[in-house]
Amino acid sequence: ELKVEQNPLFLSMQEGKNYTIYCNYSTTSDRLYWYRQDPGKSLESLFVLLSNGAVKQEGRLMASLDTKARLSTLHITAAVHDLSATYFCAVPRGYGNKLVFGAGTILRVKS
Amino acid sequence: DTGVSQDPRHKITKRGQNVTFRCDPISEHNRLYWYRQTLGQGPEFLTYFQNEAQLEKSRLLSDRFSAERPKGSFSTLEIQRTEQGDSAMYLCASSGRQGPYNYNEQFFGPGTRLTVL
Repeated sequence: ELKVEQNPLFLSMQEGKNYTIYCNYSTTSDRLYWYRQDPGKSLESLFVLLSNGAVKQEGRLMASLDTKARLSTLHITAAVHDLSATYFCAVPRGYGNKLVFGAGTILRVKS
Repeated sequence: DTGVSQDPRHKITKRGQNVTFRCDPISEHNRLYWYRQTLGQGPEFLTYFQNEAQLEKSRLLSDRFSAERPKGSFSTLEIQRTEQGDSAMYLCASSGRQGPYNYNEQFFGPGTRLTVL
C-alpha cells in the first residue's frame, strides 16, 4: 500500500529565512505533485514533477524529485508572509492516477 | 471561467438526511475524481470516472454513498442517511486525456463543505 509522509507537519518561519519540506513515499513512482491550500479553500497546483532529477522553480519555491530515494523536497527561499498556507505532496497510484496525499505541512511565516 | 466547479459550496444537514453534491469538470476532461478531506488531513480518494464509467471505488465509500456521471459530463455524489462522521470537505477534480504534453495533472474544484448536525 502506498504511503506518503511529509515532514515537518508544522513549520513556523521568520520572514527572509530558508527552509525545506520533505516528502517520502513508500512505493515506486516516477511522478509527484505539490499543491498549496489556503484555509477553507481548495487545492492549487504548484508543481508537477515527472521524472527522476526533475527540478521546478516558481518564485521563492523550488521542488525536486529523486525517484530512487522516493523523496521530493520543496525548498522555500527567503520566506514571505504570503507563503503561509498548507502544502501537500501527492503521489499517483495505479491506473487512473488516483492521488495519495501526505498529511500536509502547515507553514506560518512570521514577520 | 473554465475551471472545475462544485455546488453547493456549503451544506448543513441533520443526521439521517440525504444530500447530493454536483461537480462540473473542465470541459473535455475525461477523468473525474472525488476526494474527501477532514480537518487537518490530506484529501483521501473516494472514487473516479473515466467518461461515464465508474472505474474504482475506495473502501471509504460505504453503501450509503453513490456517485454517477451520466453522459460523461458532470458528476453527482449522493450520501444517504448522513452521519456526523460524514462531515468533511468533498473535493472534485478532473484531468485530461494522456498525450505528449498532458501529464494527467488533476485540477481541483472549490469543494463542498458538509456539516452534519
